[in-house]
Amino acid sequence: GQQVMQIPQYQHVQEGEDFTTYCNSSTTLSNIQWYKQRPGGHPVFLIQLVKSGEVKKQKRLTFQFGEAKKNSSLHITATQTTDVGTYFCAGTGNQFYFGTGTSLTVIP
Amino acid sequence: ETGVTQTPRHLVMGMTNKKSLKCEQHLGHNAMYWYKQSAKKPLELMFVYSLEERVENNSVPSRFSPECPNSSHLFLHLHTLQPEDSALYLCASSQVWGHNSPLHFGNGTRLTVT
Repeated sequence: GQQVMQIPQYQHVQEGEDFTTYCNSSTTLSNIQWYKQRPGGHPVFLIQLVKSGEVKKQKRLTFQFGEAKKNSSLHITATQTTDVGTYFCAGTGNQFYFGTGTSLTVIP
Repeated sequence: ETGVTQTPRHLVMGMTNKKSLKCEQHLGHNAMYWYKQSAKKPLELMFVYSLEERVENNSVPSRFSPECPNSSHLFLHLHTLQPEDSALYLCASSQVWGHNSPLHFGNGTRLTVT
């Protein structure tokens, strides 16, 4: 069956450092969505990418969708303590497939 | 502030109990979902309702029984659960049932089965 793998599982960074999480699918995706879940909270939708090679930015966050529409990445520039949480990708083929998430810890 | 409200926030139940989880969405969405979130596992889709009709049921044990009386309300009835069913149960809604429609999640119910 379709799988969406996400790496790394955990990442600790010093405040101000950059952070990247990667999402890889075994099959071609229709689109990809990214969600953020704060500790003790619920997943919150961040963005959706649809086109091959698409790049979108939200302030310090940059999202990319691979040319083959099988992978995606989320890059955070100059992390802040408010970035703490777990970042999930969700690829859509014939249903949503959530990745395992990357848990980000930012050390002040 | 979430447009999807779940109650209760926490639930502890014995294996012989019967309880229900409730979800209400105030967003005017047509699709509602139940997800299970366990530690170190991806979010697992359990059920999907679109316009009050169940459209997906992902091999969920019969001890979990969903109910969708209208497009704003969703229930998950629980009976004779097992300790491995302990998890965070998340309700979500989306504008339509389809793969371009973002999910709006509730705060979840933290379930512990003793």
